[in-house]
This record gives sequence, structure tokens and C-alpha cells, in this order.
Amino acid sequence: AQSVAQPEDQVNVAEGNPLTVKCTYSVSGNPYLFWYVQYPNRGLQFLLKYITGDNLVKGSYGFEAEFNKSQTSFHLKKPSALVSDSALYFCAVRDIRGENDYKLSFGAGTTVTVRA
Amino acid sequence: DGGITQSPKYLFRKEGQNVTLSCEQNLNHDAMYWYRQDPGQGLRLIYYSQIVNDFQKGDIAEGYSVSREKKESFPLTVTSAQKNPTAFYLCASALEQGLKSYEQYFGPGTRLTVT
Repeated sequence: AQSVAQPEDQVNVAEGNPLTVKCTYSVSGNPYLFWYVQYPNRGLQFLLKYITGDNLVKGSYGFEAEFNKSQTSFHLKKPSALVSDSALYFCAVRDIRGENDYKLSFGAGTTVTVRA
Repeated sequence: DGGITQSPKYLFRKEGQNVTLSCEQNLNHDAMYWYRQDPGQGLRLIYYSQIVNDFQKGDIAEGYSVSREKKESFPLTVTSAQKNPTAFYLCASALEQGLKSYEQYFGPGTRLTVT
């Protein structure tokens, strides 16, 4: 079984300050990890993914995430937040142990508000 | 949202009626997915299909049906058996090659309201 937890429903930061959105996961084997962003009444947009290799992954719009296997975490970060980063963020995991399991499990989402 | 279209954007139906949501992709992706999104619950998988003429139930398939007659199309029917059909429905597709995992691309969604 695989699952994702996003412990914060909301994150509020001032523009220009660092932004962190937390994500922890649970899988039986090795994880594939993803971050998506959703703007109101829109579909999800892919930000970045961790498959293998460097633990620090860089993605779209200046976002990055750090894979920490010992803490089973994959926190999303941005050094300097913009008002336009205000949106709903989802972490997702896929357990690659099951060769025929193509399912992606999503967290409940974290609403980010960046104030000017 | 590019490459995946969902129609209509908003849909209103009376209780007891079946309704079909359209999803089309031109990305030549093998796999397609349907999710339901409710406030505070993230996305829940309804059905997914890895190849044409084959599909599998997700976590909340009851009251829904799908077909995959063409690689580009994966329509979802919300039947009258679905007890709480009002939700935001998202279609996604992904390129799948062996054990390689590629990100899913999402359509713009259809907001279904049943009264």
C-alpha cells in the first residue's frame, strides 16, 4: 500500500520569503515522487519529480524538492515566494514495487497563500 | 493542460440521470486516468486504462463506468447508482514504458453538479 501525507492544510508566507510545503510518504518499495500545482477551477500542473539520482530535484517556476529517504519526506521549496505562487499544491507517490500498479496516490493538498 | 481536453467545463444534471464526461488526448500516451476531486480530500482514482480495450477499477469505481475504444479517448459515465456525484472530475494521461514512470498530464476538469 502507498500513501501520502501533507501535514499542513494551509501555508501563509510573505512575498520574497522562503516557501516550504511539507510531504511525507509511505511505500513498500522505492518511491516515485511528484509535486503538482492547481489554480482555481483548473487541472493540475506538473512541477517536478524524483525518480532516482540526486536527492535535490529542480522543477518549474523556481521550485525544488528534496528527497529524504530516512525521513520518508519530499518537501517542496522555493527560495523567494511570489504572489502568483498562491495555489493548491499536491504531493503524489507511486510505489514501483508493483510492476503492474500504475496508480498514483495523492495527498490532500496544501493551500499556499503568498501575501504582498 | 495542453494536449488533454475535457468537455464540458460545467455540467448540470438532475438526480437519476446518467451523464458522460468526455476526455481526449493528442499526446500519444498509453495510459489514461479518471480522478474525482472533493474539497479537502485530494484526488481519488476512479478508473484507469493502460491500453486500448482494457481498464481497471480504481479506489472509488462504484457508480461509474468507462470505455477505451480508442487510444485518444477515455469517456467516463456517471450513473444514477453513484450516490454523491457532484464533484470536480479530472482526466489525466501518461506515457508508460515498462517500469519507467512518467508524470501524468491533466486536463482542465469538468465540474459536475447533480440536483
